[in-house]
Amino acid sequence: DIVMTQSPATLSVSPGERVTLSCRASQSVSSNLAWYQQKPGQTPRLLIYVASTRATGIPARFSGSGSGTEFTLNINSLQSEDFAVYYCQQYQNWPLTFGGGTKVEIK
Amino acid sequence: EVQLVESGGGLVKPGESLRLSCATSRFTFSTYSMNWVRQAPGKGLEWVSSISSSSRHIFYADSVKGRFTISRDNAKNSLYLQMTSLRAEDTAVYYCVGGHSGYDLVFESWGQGTLVTVSS
Repeated sequence: DIVMTQSPATLSVSPGERVTLSCRASQSVSSNLAWYQQKPGQTPRLLIYVASTRATGIPARFSGSGSGTEFTLNINSLQSEDFAVYYCQQYQNWPLTFGGGTKVEIK
Repeated sequence: EVQLVESGGGLVKPGESLRLSCATSRFTFSTYSMNWVRQAPGKGLEWVSSISSSSRHIFYADSVKGRFTISRDNAKNSLYLQMTSLRAEDTAVYYCVGGHSGYDLVFESWGQGTLVTVSS
């Protein structure tokens, strides 16, 4: 199975800051990587797929990059509604696997 | 906007069975792959199972293989998950998830989830 490792587990930031979240795969997943956002008490929402393509309706302050085994999700000028848990997911191989998540909390 | 509504969750004892359903509307269900993803209380996301649009291709996580069965009825725009031999570790919110139109295995549309609790 491909293990997805996200870091850090928790990130304390202030509104307006730029945030970088990391996701590492235990083997290459090419660009078959998606990012999801989950706010407290809500369902996950697709943010990014194919490593860097924003999903419909996702603001431009969210951007993804990387390929192979190293990926990042950047959030420019963090807004109050961006405080949430972020998950990466690989869809290169079965079984599909998620990272453990990074919680972005208010500093 | 796509609507996915799960039902069938509840409290069951270890070893018992449960059938989850997902009713869909406002999208062409028969052309999308569908999935079940679960989330244990306070934990992360775990993929459970996927089924292609025609039901030709079906996949399961090892943790549920042999115990869970995914199926769909395109005429009824519905997805199902038959769960047998339930264990305490199956306790989770189960989400019905629609695949992305261009990338089947990207989870684009999520239901609100249904809670399954396995406890004696």
